[in-house]
Amino acid sequence: AQSVAQPEDQVNVAEGNPLTVKCTYSVSGNPYLFWYVQYPNRGLQFLLKYITGDNLVKGSYGFEAEFNKSQTSFHLKKPSALVSDSALYFCAVRPNSGGYQKVTFGIGTKLQVIP
Amino acid sequence: EPEVTQTPSHQVTQMGQEVILRCVPISNHLYFYWYRQILGQKVEFLVSFYNNEISEKSEIFDDQFSVERPDGSNFTLKIRSTKLEDSAMYFCASGDTYSNQPQHFGDGTRLSIL
Repeated sequence: AQSVAQPEDQVNVAEGNPLTVKCTYSVSGNPYLFWYVQYPNRGLQFLLKYITGDNLVKGSYGFEAEFNKSQTSFHLKKPSALVSDSALYFCAVRPNSGGYQKVTFGIGTKLQVIP
Repeated sequence: EPEVTQTPSHQVTQMGQEVILRCVPISNHLYFYWYRQILGQKVEFLVSFYNNEISEKSEIFDDQFSVERPDGSNFTLKIRSTKLEDSAMYFCASGDTYSNQPQHFGDGTRLSIL
């Protein structure tokens, strides 16, 4: 069974500072990894994905994530946080086979960027 | 950019009543999903649907739940006899052929069972 852990319920960071939202995963075989963001009363919005290749992937709004196979981690990062980045962030994993494969989400991390 | 649309945005229903949540997936997508998010909790997989049949379903998706693609554009989730614990946000998602592509999510239907 696949699973995702987001160890922090909330991350607080000052505007302009770098941010990291942590994620570790467990899946059979090679993973496809995703980050989604959820703003209040909205659905899940895709940020970025890791499929294969370069371990550092870049996504929307200046976010990036680093895939670390040995640590089974996929931490989300941004060099300089904005107040508008405040939202709920979900890490997700699915196996790399079968287009019907479900996505398993972490519990979510609330990011609060303080002006 | 094409979007997944869900209606209604908010549904209030008496316990024991049937409810149908509607979704219009992205037109060229072939895989369809329902997820739910109980307030303050994580997003949980309910069911996936491909080629007019269920591909996979979770333990949550019991006999009270059913899905249907009644025409070429809609994808519906029916809860036959709602319970208080069915109160949640229900998200529809669709995806194309390749599992390495992200699923696209609608904005959800907030279901409130009274």
